[in-house]
Amino acid sequence: DTEVTQTPKHLVMGMTNKKSLKCEQHMGHRAMYWYKQKAKKPPELMFVYSYEKLSINESVPSRFSPECPNSSLLNLHLHALQPEDSALYLCASSQGELFGLTEAFFGQGTRLTVV
Amino acid sequence: QKEVEQNSGPLSVPEGAIASLNCTYSDRGSQSFFWYRQYSGKSPELIMFIYSNGDKEDGRFTAQLNKASQYVSLLIRDSQPSDSATYLCAALDSGGYQKVTFGIGTKLQVIP
Repeated sequence: DTEVTQTPKHLVMGMTNKKSLKCEQHMGHRAMYWYKQKAKKPPELMFVYSYEKLSINESVPSRFSPECPNSSLLNLHLHALQPEDSALYLCASSQGELFGLTEAFFGQGTRLTVV
Repeated sequence: QKEVEQNSGPLSVPEGAIASLNCTYSDRGSQSFFWYRQYSGKSPELIMFIYSNGDKEDGRFTAQLNKASQYVSLLIRDSQPSDSATYLCAALDSGGYQKVTFGIGTKLQVIP
């Protein structure tokens, strides 16, 4: 199993809604990441979890709240988002703490639309 | 601000030709570099990583790194229409070993 699975694939939410994005991997990877990608832009790092602890928060607004319940699961809780938060949200995992240096995989992403 | 620069393209090459994709980076301390392929609407897929000066070959792909010039390239030999995608260059930040800065990506079109 070399997959990072993200659910849902598409999400439309209102600005007052609370929703969560889910990411799961069963490759034994110990680092997991959330990236945000807007159209025709590169992925931008949001959060990094290493051994289930938050190691990097790229000054992301508090309306985005990450959670790592266990080594296989990564959530992103969303609350009071703005239309400009509409983007493709990508989860990734890597075998070690060096992203991409060995085996690193992205999930298929959740396309989020905030209305 | 650490940056990775790429020409957004599109770069058009005929089928069977060599596609050459280039990238420069600003963080002189970066040690590891990656090429990702991203099809439209899909997630990035790691093609190659390189951390030593020189060439690294994997099948039809060759990555080239020149740290003195802060330059990374990707050559795709015998280009196929299925290679048509956006290719993202990325560099591992020197200050944070888990942070990777991506370039905007070069859109490659392989013409049959």
